Amino acid sequence: DQQVKQNSPSLSVQEGRISILNCDYTNSMFDYFLWYKKYPAEGPTFLISISSIKDKNEDGRFTVFLNKSAKHLSLHIVPSQPGDSAVYFCAASDNTGNQFYFGTGTSLTVIP
Amino acid sequence: EAEVAQSPRYKITEKSQAVAFWCDPISGHATLYWYRQILGQGPELLVQFQDESVVDDSQLPKDRFSAERLKGVDSTLKIQPAELGDSAMYLCASSIDPVFGELFFGEGSRLTVL
Repeated sequence: DQQVKQNSPSLSVQEGRISILNCDYTNSMFDYFLWYKKYPAEGPTFLISISSIKDKNEDGRFTVFLNKSAKHLSLHIVPSQPGDSAVYFCAASDNTGNQFYFGTGTSLTVIP
Repeated sequence: EAEVAQSPRYKITEKSQAVAFWCDPISGHATLYWYRQILGQGPELLVQFQDESVVDDSQLPKDRFSAERLKGVDSTLKIQPAELGDSAMYLCASSIDPVFGELFFGEGSRLTVL
């Protein structure tokens, strides 16, 4: 049973425009969420996180929004750059120190 | 910058052979994770260690997989015998805080079973 879902396997965006990557979760106990970026043949790299006490967290071009009532989070990248082309995973965990559950990833292509 | 070290980066083996992967986490990170990522899917946890103790190995196929972290530092993941379906990327990650700490991943070990 997939507790974290990324329903869009791929996304293409023009350079300079906004990229919006979406993630849904089913477990209401999840209260800490992370986004990772992965290039081919490399391990995932941490991008940004958000805890359930916030509804927004911003770091440079990256902003994560959390809608707890909808069990939905999104990652906004503005402006998008060709170097942002990668697979993006969202992950979630509860506050017990248990495992992080990962989504299936969204492959972002930023077109120059 | 501190990194999670993994080896080998690539391993090709035949079905029924034994394989082993090694991971050295970032110094001071007490929590260590082994994840398996099949192409097109997200990473799935195999085993989680806190220091030398196993916290969660509920998804580790224990008939063929084993993992250890004897001194609470580096860790080894072993598969014996390997099966075709084990072909995947094996990712090691470490964290300083198992509750609200981000995971730092190594570059992964790509296994191909022929």
